[in-house]
Amino acid sequence: AQSVTQLGSHVSVSEGALVLLRCNYSSSVPPYLFWYVQYPNQGLQLLLKYTTGATLVKGINGFEAEFKKSETSFHLTKPSAHMSDAAEYFCAVTPGGYQKVTFGTGTKLQVIP
Amino acid sequence: EAGVAQSPRYKIIEKRQSVAFWCNPISGHATLYWYQQILGQGPKLLIQFQNNGVVDDSQLPKDRFSAERLKGVDSTLKIQPAKLEDSAVYLCASSSPLRGLANTGELFFGEGSRLTVL
Repeated sequence: AQSVTQLGSHVSVSEGALVLLRCNYSSSVPPYLFWYVQYPNQGLQLLLKYTTGATLVKGINGFEAEFKKSETSFHLTKPSAHMSDAAEYFCAVTPGGYQKVTFGTGTKLQVIP
Repeated sequence: EAGVAQSPRYKIIEKRQSVAFWCNPISGHATLYWYQQILGQGPKLLIQFQNNGVVDDSQLPKDRFSAERLKGVDSTLKIQPAKLEDSAVYLCASSSPLRGLANTGELFFGEGSRLTVL
C-alpha cells in the first residue's frame, strides 16, 4: 500500500519569497514521485517527477524537488515566488508499472503581492 | 499532439437522475483512469483501464457508478442514480505509450467534468 501526506492545506508567501511545499510518502517498494499543479477550472499538469537516478529533480516554471529516502520526503521548492504560481499543488506516488497513482490532499498556494 | 478530451465540462442534475461523462485519451495511450475530485480534496481513483480491461476498480461505488472502454480507446463513466455527495469534478487521465515502453506513472489529465447534484 502507498500513501501521501501533504502538510498544510494552505500556504501563503510573498512575491519573491521562497516557496516550500511539503510532501511525505509511504511506499512498500521504491516509489515514483510526482508533483502536479492545478489551476482553477483546469485539470492537473505535471510539474516534475522522480523515477530513478539523481535525487534532485528540476521541473517547469523554476520548481524543483528533492527525493530523500531516509526522510521519506519529496518537498517542492522554488527560490522566488511569482504571482502566476498561485494554484493548488498535489504530490503523488506510485510503485510504477501499471499500478495505481495515489494523490495527496493538495496544498493551495497563495502569493501575496 | 491532442490532449485528453472530456465532455461535458459542466453538468447540473437533480438527485436520483443519471449522467454520463465521456473521455478520449491521448492517441496511443493504453492506460485510462477516471478520478473523482471533491472540492478541497485530492483526486481519488475510481477506475483504471489497461486497454479495454479493468486493472483497478476497488473504489468505484458499483451500485451506482459504471464505466466502460469497449474498444480500448475512449471511455464513458455513468452515474445512476446520482446522490448529492457525487457532486465533484470527474477527471480523466491517460498514460503510457503502447508496445511495452516503461510506464513511469506520469498521467496526462483532461480539463475535467464538473458535476453538481441538486
